[in-house]
Amino acid sequence: QVQLVESGGGLVKPGGSLRLSCAASGFTFSDYYMSWIRQAPGKGLEWVSYISSSGSTIYYADSVKGRFTISRDNAKNSLYLQMNSLRAEDTAVYYCARGGRSSGWYPPGYWGQGTLVTVSS
Amino acid sequence: QSVLTQPPSVSGAPGQRVTISCTGSSSNIGAGYDVHWYQQLPGTAPKLLIYGNSNRPSGVPDRFSGSKSGTSASLAITGLQAEDEADYYCQSYDSSLSGSGVFGTGTKVTVL
Repeated sequence: QVQLVESGGGLVKPGGSLRLSCAASGFTFSDYYMSWIRQAPGKGLEWVSYISSSGSTIYYADSVKGRFTISRDNAKNSLYLQMNSLRAEDTAVYYCARGGRSSGWYPPGYWGQGTLVTVSS
Repeated sequence: QSVLTQPPSVSGAPGQRVTISCTGSSSNIGAGYDVHWYQQLPGTAPKLLIYGNSNRPSGVPDRFSGSKSGTSASLAITGLQAEDEADYYCQSYDSSLSGSGVFGTGTKVTVL
């Protein structure tokens, strides 16, 4: 069965960095777009970034552009999110989600359990 | 600030029918982009409930149904059950600015 397991969250000071990872299993990882979607405490969902199956097409929300970098290692079935210059407003649960084979905007049918990132001094 | 507006809360007694609206504009739902719905139980990740306006993934009960008209979409839950108490989010694509997937503001469904 499809499994997505995030890791790497934690407490970080404003201006600091963090790298999230998502380990995928149960499907051919290299066939699918992958996304990071976040949810601030008590708030709604925000699509942060997606990456195409080959890594050639990438999207970033304006709120993270220039600070976050998405990447993937198809040999390791893993998705990453490098987060730099973190701000208090980046505090959220970050979900890894599987997209479609041909579109980054395909509704994610599989989500990880999420990893909490807290940005605070 | 989300471009898709949902009512903050709806409630109903067990067995009743409730509907959740998702109001957009000419740059998203009104432009013909599909609407999808997610259910988020307390403390868990969102789960895809409806895709492509009205399609249910395997395993989703037929008590859940979706529809779309003009610049709005709706999720209906018939035969409301206690386990349906959750947050529900609509999602579509918005072509304004750089274009992106967008989520609704979310609706809390309470089973009385």
